[in-house]
Amino acid sequence: DAGVIQSPRHEVTEMGQEVTLRCKPISGHDYLFWYRQTMMRGLELLIYFNNNVPIDDSGMPEDRFSAKMPNASFSTLKIQPSEPRDSAVYFCASSSQSLEPPYNEQFFGPGTRLTVL
Amino acid sequence: AQSVTQPDIHITVSEGASLELRCNYSYGATPYLFWYVQSPGQGLQLLLKYFSGDTLVQGIKGFEAEFKRSQSSFNLRKPSVHWSDAAEYFCAVASNTGKLIFGQGTTLQVKP
Repeated sequence: DAGVIQSPRHEVTEMGQEVTLRCKPISGHDYLFWYRQTMMRGLELLIYFNNNVPIDDSGMPEDRFSAKMPNASFSTLKIQPSEPRDSAVYFCASSSQSLEPPYNEQFFGPGTRLTVL
Repeated sequence: AQSVTQPDIHITVSEGASLELRCNYSYGATPYLFWYVQSPGQGLQLLLKYFSGDTLVQGIKGFEAEFKRSQSSFNLRKPSVHWSDAAEYFCAVASNTGKLIFGQGTTLQVKP
């Protein structure tokens, strides 16, 4: 299994530009999570999906952020327009809900380091 | 509300010394608990997990953790730290809605 795949690994963009981060979860997993990690705020859950449906987007900072999951094998996180304070590492994770262990074990991708100038 | 507290933001230990990282949780039901490690520039990797049964769980890289319900704790331990253990460590508790609730993390530095 290739694990969770994220692209790009690094992104440098200018303020005001649109940024799209991509994630391919582990095959068969029905939960997908987007996190943001910064020095100031640590690891924050932005949004998560179950069976491609957004369940909780309360962590999305503002309307400039949007996430989609058009199918079970692909998700995007978009920032439009981007701002310097969006600079962070964005992680995608996936898991398989189960009534038996392992329960909610999340597998993380390597992350996308975003720098907005 | 469910929460996880890692009281120590930074810990420095000498190589070969023992290590204990603290984690306290708040959760009404039986908790499902995890420890993750994040090496510099990497994603999070699962070290170990607790669901039920034996309260002392073994993980990868020589780590273990002990679940103590009376203290609402799930502390991570290692008898002898290696320089390669320098990383950030996250404790987390699972909710029944599919979310993991993470602590703020503890950064471990290892002195030669």
